[in-house]
Amino acid sequence: EPEVTQTPSHQVTQMGQEVILRCVPISNHLYFYWYRQILGQKVEFLVSFYNNEISEKSEIFDDQFSVERPDGSNFTLKIRSTKLEDSAMYFCASRRYNTGELFFGEGSRLTVL
Amino acid sequence: KNEVEQSPQNLTAQEGEFITINCSYSVGISALHWLQQHPGGGIVSLFMLSSGKKKHGRLIATINIQEKHSSLHITASHPRDSAVYICAASPGGTSYGKLTFGQGTILTVHP
Repeated sequence: EPEVTQTPSHQVTQMGQEVILRCVPISNHLYFYWYRQILGQKVEFLVSFYNNEISEKSEIFDDQFSVERPDGSNFTLKIRSTKLEDSAMYFCASRRYNTGELFFGEGSRLTVL
Repeated sequence: KNEVEQSPQNLTAQEGEFITINCSYSVGISALHWLQQHPGGGIVSLFMLSSGKKKHGRLIATINIQEKHSSLHITASHPRDSAVYICAASPGGTSYGKLTFGQGTILTVHP
């Protein structure tokens, strides 16, 4: 069964460092998303991406964050200069159609020290 | 802004019991997702509902659009059902993926 894969599963970084989280969505999917879950809190929407551009972003997704699909398969989330409060589980998700079922990855746990 | 609330927050059951988890939302939506988060943290999509009822194995999800309420039922619960169950509301249109999530219900099923 096709699945969304994310790497790394866990990354530890120092405050101020750049981090790139990678996602490989299901191959024929067209809509891509990043969500995050701070420990003990609700999952939150970060950004949606379609047709090689951001279609919507939340207020969390400030200038420190960026997304891209550099090679038609990977979908990456970059945090330019990490802060302690960026420590969270980051989930990638994809769907084939705008109203279709969402498929989530296993998540990437980011720890900022 | 949509507010999504789940109840109960914690649920403990004995194997074989019928489980119900409730989800209420404050603003009209296009679809309601039920998700399962297993102990390792990964999320699996269980259902996506726009109206009525869906069934998959021992899981049943219902939604009442007028009352802005959805329920997830598990029949004949089993210890492997132990997980966090999350509902998430989708506003639809171009914001379809901009989900608003509930806080999750921690389900523990004892043998």
